[in-house]
Amino acid sequence: AQKVTQAQTEISVVEKEDVTLDCVYETRDTTYYLFWYKQPPSGELVFLIRRNSFDEQNEISGRYSWNFQKSTSSFNFTITASQVVDSAVYFCALSADYGQNFVFGPGTRLSVLP
Amino acid sequence: DAGVTQSPTHLIKTRGQQVTLRCSPKSGHDTVSWYQQALGQGPQFIFQYYEEEERQRGNFPDRFSGHQFPNYSSELNVNALLLGDSALYLCASSPGTLYEQYFGPGTRLTVT
Repeated sequence: AQKVTQAQTEISVVEKEDVTLDCVYETRDTTYYLFWYKQPPSGELVFLIRRNSFDEQNEISGRYSWNFQKSTSSFNFTITASQVVDSAVYFCALSADYGQNFVFGPGTRLSVLP
Repeated sequence: DAGVTQSPTHLIKTRGQQVTLRCSPKSGHDTVSWYQQALGQGPQFIFQYYEEEERQRGNFPDRFSGHQFPNYSSELNVNALLLGDSALYLCASSPGTLYEQYFGPGTRLTVT
């Protein structure tokens, strides 16, 4: 069975602080994909990043960075110098089906205070 | 190029009624999946349609059914609505079953 755990239910930080959102996954598949999505109050899921199980290289995109470690089954997400606009619910998701039929974690609600 | 669109945006129904939600996939996409997102939770996979047939199904009762039309648009039907069916229903489409899905804005269903 596949499972995604996001242990942090809610996080509050002050603007310009760095924040890391944790994601731990479980799967028996050797080939799988990991994703992060942002969900603002409007409800639409905004794609942030996709990683496949064979690519453990960490990635940086502007203020966002991701740390994928297969040894600990973790795919953590760091926002550097957070901004109020980063306030949203962030979901980590797993797919063993080429990026389809996701298993989502419960989400982490991030509040960035001015 | 329009993305995934869903209608209606919001819907209020009474317990026991039936509801139909609609999804138009992104241009060039022929595969549609539906998800239910209850308040405060992550989305849960309901089912996927490809070539007008249900390809995969999550852990949802038969009250949840769907359909895909020749133009690849899709409907989600829920019969005998329960209060617990209140949720945001998300549609996602992809260009085939081997490619990443793109999500629509969702339909918020409230059952009273």
